[in-house]
Amino acid sequence: DVKVTQSSRYLVKRTGEKVFLECVQDMDHENMFWYRQDPGLGLRLIYFSYDVKMKEKGDIPEGYSVSREKKERFSLILESASTNQTSMYLCASSSPRWGGLAGNRTDTQYFGPGTRLTVL
Amino acid sequence: GQQVMQIPQYQHVQEGEDFTTYCNSSTTLSNIQWYKQRPGGHPVFLIQLVKSGEVKKQKRLTFQFGEAKKNSSLHITATQTTDVGTYFCAGAPRTYKYIFGTGTRLKVLA
Repeated sequence: DVKVTQSSRYLVKRTGEKVFLECVQDMDHENMFWYRQDPGLGLRLIYFSYDVKMKEKGDIPEGYSVSREKKERFSLILESASTNQTSMYLCASSSPRWGGLAGNRTDTQYFGPGTRLTVL
Repeated sequence: GQQVMQIPQYQHVQEGEDFTTYCNSSTTLSNIQWYKQRPGGHPVFLIQLVKSGEVKKQKRLTFQFGEAKKNSSLHITATQTTDVGTYFCAGAPRTYKYIFGTGTRLKVLA
């Protein structure tokens, strides 16, 4: 069964602290993603990685960095946490699958349970 | 920048009524996905549409991808209380990078 785990369900930090959010997947997926989810804004992509040590900025990378040293682990780092980074953080992983008569490609994203981060 | 808008933001329906959510992209998409997030849960993949004009069905759920590959819809026939949750579309202007819509939160009144 597919599994994506995140290091914490709830986290409370103070402004200026360095914060690490960890995500681990056991499906040998190439692609991993970090999103934040805020009411009325949906899910917004922060960073994604398509291979070990490879990363690409998403739509809102400012104030964040990432690390992918091993295929199964993707870390999100808040260098100096601020109150506007209070949010739900969701990690996801995916790997392309081909199927059907037309050999269509599907990139199902499997999400972790999320980390609700509060920055005081 | 590229945007994916989703309407309505909220929908309350009586059990047994139909429900539709719409997704519109500012750019042409290579494919579109739909996810469901139950209250307190995480998004779960429902389906992916790739072809222009494609229609797919999953029991009471019908998914459509527009001819211009810029819009999509999800229609639920005869809603049940188990359909409660937030439905997100996610459009891919290019491989790997998905832009999620703002979501439609569905409440079903028994």
